[in-house]
Amino acid sequence: AQSVTQLDSHVSVSEGTPVLLRCNYSSSYSPSLFWYVQHPNKGLQLLLKYTSAATLVKGINGFEAEFKKSETSFHLTKPSAHMSDAAEYFCVVSQHNTDKLIFGTGTRLQVFP
Amino acid sequence: DTAVSQTPKYLVTQMGNDKSIKCEQNLGHDTMYWYKQDSKKFLKIMFSYNNKELIINETVPNRFSPKSPDKAHLNLHINSLELGDSAVYFCASSAEGEAFFGQGTRLTVV
Repeated sequence: AQSVTQLDSHVSVSEGTPVLLRCNYSSSYSPSLFWYVQHPNKGLQLLLKYTSAATLVKGINGFEAEFKKSETSFHLTKPSAHMSDAAEYFCVVSQHNTDKLIFGTGTRLQVFP
Repeated sequence: DTAVSQTPKYLVTQMGNDKSIKCEQNLGHDTMYWYKQDSKKFLKIMFSYNNKELIINETVPNRFSPKSPDKAHLNLHINSLELGDSAVYFCASSAEGEAFFGQGTRLTVV
């Protein structure tokens, strides 16, 4: 069965500094992996997705993630945090041969001025 | 135009009542879902429909009954509401592995 583990429940950074949100996955198959963002009292928005093409995936708002099979990781990064990046971030894996999404427990990103 | 829209956005009701949440998508997707997000922000799938047919039914109490009159709509009816049903419910639709979510319905049972 597929699963994802988000290693940090909270991450705090200063505006202008790099962001790293960590995610490890478990899958018997080549996984489809996603990062979604949820701003306060809002729905979920897709940031980026990996579907076995390029291992470095670029998403919206300057975010990117690198698929590392040897480390079973799919960490989300951004070179320079902006105040508007403060939100909840979910690492997600798609169950094999279905469209069922399995969510991680989320990482709350705080950005300080 | 909103791709996935659900109504109402907020719902406050008493224990024991029956309520419905409606969802519509204008993306032409065949697959729609209901997810529940608890107070700790944990998201879990409840149901999945593909072209009006039930595909996934997680271990959800049978007080929850989804209904899909056509592939653009997936409504959620909840009977005999309990305090533990308080959560945010998200509707979504997907194609090619990418899901689009509605804004959520915050259900509060008092």
